[in-house]
Amino acid sequence: GDSVTQMEGPVTLSEEAFLTINCTYTATGYPSLFWYVQYPGEGLQLLLKATKADDKGSNKGFEATYRKETTSFHLEKGSVQVSDSAVYFCALSGGTNTGFQKLVFGTGTRLLVSP
Amino acid sequence: DGGITQSPKYLFRKEGQNVTLSCEQNLNHDAMYWYRQDPGQGLRLIYYSQIVNDFQKGDIAEGYSVSREKKESFPLTVTSAQKNPTAFYLCASSTGTYYGYTFGSGTRLTVV
Repeated sequence: GDSVTQMEGPVTLSEEAFLTINCTYTATGYPSLFWYVQYPGEGLQLLLKATKADDKGSNKGFEATYRKETTSFHLEKGSVQVSDSAVYFCALSGGTNTGFQKLVFGTGTRLLVSP
Repeated sequence: DGGITQSPKYLFRKEGQNVTLSCEQNLNHDAMYWYRQDPGQGLRLIYYSQIVNDFQKGDIAEGYSVSREKKESFPLTVTSAQKNPTAFYLCASSTGTYYGYTFGSGTRLTVV
């Protein structure tokens, strides 16, 4: 079935460092891809999305490019802040197996940014 | 502003009691979802509903029940049959997963 694999955390960085959180997916067809962010004690918020190959989603300095050839959607940010400390979830919908009934989530990657 | 509201934010219950978690949305979304999240863990799907008066089991439906009598509301009941109910529960809604989900802020249930 459709699945999403994220790098294990925690990812620990100093403020202003470059961030990459890896996400790869397994799905046939043309899924849509998403990154969500969860701050402590809160629900998930949509951070960015991409709906077709080579699309780049971006928001609040974060970017991710939909790479169909490598089935990846890695999250990047050029200079992280302490306030970016959170858990980041990669997700997909619209794969041939899952369809558009529900999202398939990765296990989440915790980011810790120190001053 | 449109959104999805979960209440209460914190809930305490004694073991053996049923408890109902509320989820209301005013986004006019057709689909609604319930997820469970344990500390340091990912999301696990409990139930989802694509339309009023219809719902499907997710990956961990045992010990839970839902209803969908109104488009705006999708309450979750945690029954006494759920062996380990202490967790963070998240409700979400969607107008179509092509666009992703909108999540509520969650209810933290503690059973003592």
